[in-house]
Amino acid sequence: NAGVMQNPRHLVRRRGQEARLRCSPMKGHSHVYWYRQLPEEGLKFMVYLQKENIIDESGMPKERFSAEFPKEGPSILRIQQVVRGDSAAYFCASSLLRTGDRTNTEAFFGQGTRLTVV
Amino acid sequence: AQSVTQLDSHVSVSEGTPVLLRCNYSSSYSPSLFWYVQHPNKGLQLLLKYTSAATLVKGINGFEAEFKKSETSFHLTKPSAHMSDAAEYFCVASNDYKLSFGAGTTVTVRA
Repeated sequence: NAGVMQNPRHLVRRRGQEARLRCSPMKGHSHVYWYRQLPEEGLKFMVYLQKENIIDESGMPKERFSAEFPKEGPSILRIQQVVRGDSAAYFCASSLLRTGDRTNTEAFFGQGTRLTVV
Repeated sequence: AQSVTQLDSHVSVSEGTPVLLRCNYSSSYSPSLFWYVQHPNKGLQLLLKYTSAATLVKGINGFEAEFKKSETSFHLTKPSAHMSDAAEYFCVASNDYKLSFGAGTTVTVRA
């Protein structure tokens, strides 16, 4: 069973372009979480999706950022009109069930996509 | 609201000597706590987790951590460092499905 797959691993975009980051969860996992890691900082929660539904996007900037997890295919994190401040590592995690304090479900992380905006 | 503070951004140890990575958390309740490791060009891997059972938690690769409520700490230790332990380590607290990460501690191991 392959782990969480993210692609591309590295992405370079010019200011104003669009960035699309893909995440294929582990087989059978229907819960996906996106995190962003800015330089010298820990990962910050962005959004939680469960097949075709956005459960919580409270950590995602209101403008230019969107996420989806369609019935078929990978989860996509889309950043429109990128700016230099979007340069970061973006991590995706997936889980079989919703993770939380009352469950014993682990979230498995991908290797991340490192976005550089020039 | 909760937050996690990793007290050391870098730790350097000699191979075969103990490793101590310090973590303090703040939370309005007793959260679940985790330690993750990230090796270069790899994804985050769960080392161990505390979920209100035993306060001393054993993880993979010889690591363990002790939850101390009175000190709001969850320090990670290993008695004898190995070269393969060189990586970045994250202390994490959970609030339902949201994970709050510390800034990370980079461990280097000297031969």
